Formats: sequence, C-alpha cells, structure tokens
Amino acid sequence: DAGVIQSPRHEVTEMGQEVTLRCKPISGHNSLFWYRQTMMRGLELLIYFNNNVPIDDSGMPEDRFSAKMPNASFSTLKIQPSEPRDSAVYFCASRSSGSGADTQYFGPGTRLTVL
Amino acid sequence: TQLLEQSPQFLSIQEGENLTVYCNSSSVFSSLQWYRQEPGEGPVLLVTVVTGGEVKKLKRLTFQFGDARKDSSLHITAAQPGDTGLYLCAGVPQGAQKLVFGQGTRLTINP
Repeated sequence: DAGVIQSPRHEVTEMGQEVTLRCKPISGHNSLFWYRQTMMRGLELLIYFNNNVPIDDSGMPEDRFSAKMPNASFSTLKIQPSEPRDSAVYFCASRSSGSGADTQYFGPGTRLTVL
Repeated sequence: TQLLEQSPQFLSIQEGENLTVYCNSSSVFSSLQWYRQEPGEGPVLLVTVVTGGEVKKLKRLTFQFGDARKDSSLHITAAQPGDTGLYLCAGVPQGAQKLVFGQGTRLTINP
C-alpha cells in the first residue's frame, strides 16, 4: 500500500522566493497534518485538516505560511516569501478518524533549505 | 517550554546493553505514543498506551504509561545496532485534540 507521499523530497531556494510543498495522504484517511521539524524546536504541528477543512492553524508561524486542501487526496503548504529561518524538514501525516487512538502516518518529509 | 520532556536527549551505548528513555510531563494525557524516526524518513508509530499503569511489550522494547498518565518510559533490552534512531514520545493532553511531541532521544547503538 502507498503511504503518505510528499514532494519534493528536497528543496533549495533563495530568500524571498515562493515555496510550495505537496502532500498526498493515504487513501481513505480523512485527517491531514502538516508538521515542521528542526533541531532546536523538534517536531511542531503547523496545521491540520479534517475532511478537507482546516481545523486548527494556530501553529502556523506567520502570514507567510498558508495551507490548502482542495480535495481529499491533495494538500499544499506554501511559504511566500521564504526566509532562511524557514529551513527545516516539513512532514505531512494522515489519519483515519476510525482508527481509535490518534494513529498518524507520516510521509518521508521535504527538506527545505532557504539560502 | 516543552509540554513533554524527554531524557536523555542523547544516548550512545554498546550493543547488548540495556537502556531506558523517559518522557515526563506535569499534564495528564489521554494517551501517549512512542515513535521511532530514522534519518531521511518520517516518524513511525511503535506503540500507543492509553491506560494508567499500562505496560506493552514489542519484542525487546517495553513501554510503560505512568499510573497518573503524566509520564511514560521506553526500556530496550539487549540493544542492537538496528535500534539506532530518534525516539519521540507524543501525546494528546486531556481535554485537547492535538498531538504534541517531545524533543526526542537520539539513540546510537555501537557494534
């Protein structure tokens, strides 16, 4: 079975550029999560969706970050304009609401470097 | 300030030794989970504990949830090089809906 798919796996860009990260959740999962991982702050939840609707975006750092989920099989996280402090690994995870405990399945991540 | 504090942050031991990693909080959690993350990959769920005092075993790994549901431990017996990785605890605070993660314990098992 295909797990959570993220693209690109690596992204190097220059400060000020727009960055778009993509995620395809596991088929049938109705919750999707975007996380950011850094050495300093660990794994932080940015935003999550239930049934394509954003539920909690309190973890989004600032207005430069936005996320969309136009349908059940696709989500994007956009940073515009990007800054060097945005460099991190960004993970997407999905979950089925019928799975009992909060079992999230993570993608392989996108390593973002902003120069 | 981290809601979940993990200790130690780094641990390097020899193959065959035993070890324990701790996950502590002043808050009560509805459930706690342990994940393992390898370089270049996302975290993978190892176990979920939901009942105070619960103990779960996964081969050489033993997970325990504290009686008050504020802490958890992971004990590895006879560690193997394949156990090397970042171990993360995560939990849903009581009354909340979001999963929060600890900073992680980076474990290295030397052959």
